[in-house]
Order: sequence, then C-alpha cells, then structure tokens
Amino acid sequence: RKEVEQDPGPFNVPEGATVAFNCTYSNSASQSFFWYRQDCRKEPKLLMSVYSSGNEDGRFTAQLNRASQYISLLIRDSKLSDSATYLCVVIGDSNYQLIWGAGTKLIIKP
Amino acid sequence: EPEVTQTPSHQVTQMGQEVILRCVPISNHLYFYWYRQILGQKVEFLVSFYNNEISEKSEIFDDQFSVERPDGSNFTLKIRSTKLEDSAMYFCASRWPAGGIQETQYFGPGTRLLVL
Repeated sequence: RKEVEQDPGPFNVPEGATVAFNCTYSNSASQSFFWYRQDCRKEPKLLMSVYSSGNEDGRFTAQLNRASQYISLLIRDSKLSDSATYLCVVIGDSNYQLIWGAGTKLIIKP
Repeated sequence: EPEVTQTPSHQVTQMGQEVILRCVPISNHLYFYWYRQILGQKVEFLVSFYNNEISEKSEIFDDQFSVERPDGSNFTLKIRSTKLEDSAMYFCASRWPAGGIQETQYFGPGTRLLVL
C-alpha cells in the first residue's frame, strides 16, 4: 500500500465551482499534514498545514480525519489561477521527512 | 522575502559523468534537504542534513550520491557516474528548527537534470 494516496485526476471544474480533494495515508502515527501546490515544472509551494481541528484560509479549507486516516482540501469559488497540481504531504515518523502523494491535477475552466 | 536558490536551473550531462547541483538555503535555516521528481511522478525524498552530517536518507540515496556543505552558505548534491534514470528535477529545501513538528520547508526552484 502506498504511504500517501491521491486521486491523480485531472479534475476539470468550471470557474466559480467548489472542488474537494481527498488524500489517504497509511502510517497511523503520522502527526503533521500539509497541502502543497505545484505549478507545471515549478517547485512545490506550501498551501496550508492541516490541523486536527481543521483550518480555513480564505477560500481553502483543510480537514483531518485521523480515524479514517485521510485529509481533505476544499476550494470554494475556484479561480482560473487555482489550476495546478495539489500535493498531499505527510510528515513521516522520523526527522521531519516529508512523504509526498503523487498529486491531484486541477484544471479550472472559464 | 528570503528564498532558497539553486544553480544551475538546467543541466545536461552524458551518462557516466559526475554532476554537482548547488543550493543556497535561507541563511538562518539549519536543516537542509534534497528531493527529486522524475517527470510526471511524485516528489521523492533523498536526504536530510543537519549539523554538518546526514541525518536521514532514503533508499534512492545510494553510494552514487553525496551531499556537502562546503561553506556557510552552499549545500551541494553530487551525483557520481550519472545514469539515464537520474534524469529528474532536483529540489533543495531548507527549514528553521521551529518548535514542535509543525514546520515549513522552503523549496528552491529546482535544477532540471537531463542525462543523455
């Protein structure tokens, strides 16, 4: 089983719509979770950390479900500029090593 | 805003040659990382470095690879005797040792390595 799994997509979504991604992780001892955004041929950039209580940053909401070992990202009122690959990242159990999902590609259409 | 820089942005080399990828982490950061991403695939951890030594490495990071912090600013990844399958984007990252496990790694723009 992969350590971090994501639906690769692509998700084709009209501008203004709401879109949600899920990600599952295999290590129940994982403590820290992140969503990164990666534009084509660019470096990953931190979008938001995911806290146990869930957190929101503008149009973006992240939630963690420890019992089912998944995290989610919700994007409301999607913009064309949201088109990117969204990477689910989990900190492994040692030395802050980031374990990456393969990413979900999002395409926002006008 | 401080940023991680990497040079070169692109590197083309012949199979069997040695390459050195360079990174300048953010100046007050203490933990350094190398990742790679083969085109179309996920980001993979290679190695972490702290206090002038490797703190953790993945299975990918075999004897072909080495890292060094030759001075107070640079952090290098050397790949000896490159193979075709080493072609990838190589990202350097650094972080400040924040309290607790929540932390942010800042990524450089990457070096795209092509082995012919």
